[in-house]
Amino acid sequence: AQSVTQPDIHITVSEGASLELRCNYSYGATPYLFWYVQSPGQGLQLLLKYFSGDTLVQGIKGFEAEFKRSQSSFNLRKPSVHWSDAAEYFCAVVFGGATNKLIFGTGTLLAVQP
Amino acid sequence: DTGVSQNPRHKITKRGQNVTFRCDPISEHNRLYWYRQTLGQGPEFLTYFQNEAQLEKSRLLSDRFSAERPKGSFSTLEIQRTEQGDSAMYLCASSSQISGNTIYFGEGSWLTVV
Repeated sequence: AQSVTQPDIHITVSEGASLELRCNYSYGATPYLFWYVQSPGQGLQLLLKYFSGDTLVQGIKGFEAEFKRSQSSFNLRKPSVHWSDAAEYFCAVVFGGATNKLIFGTGTLLAVQP
Repeated sequence: DTGVSQNPRHKITKRGQNVTFRCDPISEHNRLYWYRQTLGQGPEFLTYFQNEAQLEKSRLLSDRFSAERPKGSFSTLEIQRTEQGDSAMYLCASSSQISGNTIYFGEGSWLTVV
């Protein structure tokens, strides 16, 4: 079955520290890959996306993600976290098909310590 | 800003009542999606429209749920005879080939069934 796994439910980092959020997906072919961020009570904001080409993609707010085909992973990184980055982060995948619908992971809640 | 617009943003209703949510997608986006998100979970796909045609419905969309997209513009999601288990945030999203197939989300409509 097509699925997206975010193994870390909750992560706490200190402000200024680096961050890596993990995402794995189950599928044979290369899907379209996305990271979204959600603040409490709000909708989803797109951070970055990967369709093809360079496997390291840059997004907004200083985030980047690397697609690794051999590991079926698309991990999100940021070299220095700011307090305003505290939010929930969702990895999402389009596995193909006519609808191009997104399948989401369960999310990782990021807390930032001063 | 002409992003995806949803209303009402919040709705509290008594069990057994009907509710309707409206979504106005980004103009010229021919694809429209509805998702449901409960606390602590990632969004779950409900249904998909391409123009006015409803092309896919999730098993989550019971017969109490109905969605329409007349004229391929705005969409409505109606829930009949609401149950407490329907309490969730209902997210609308849109995309098109023009947007590079990137899916953009609205701010969501919160439903609380008491």
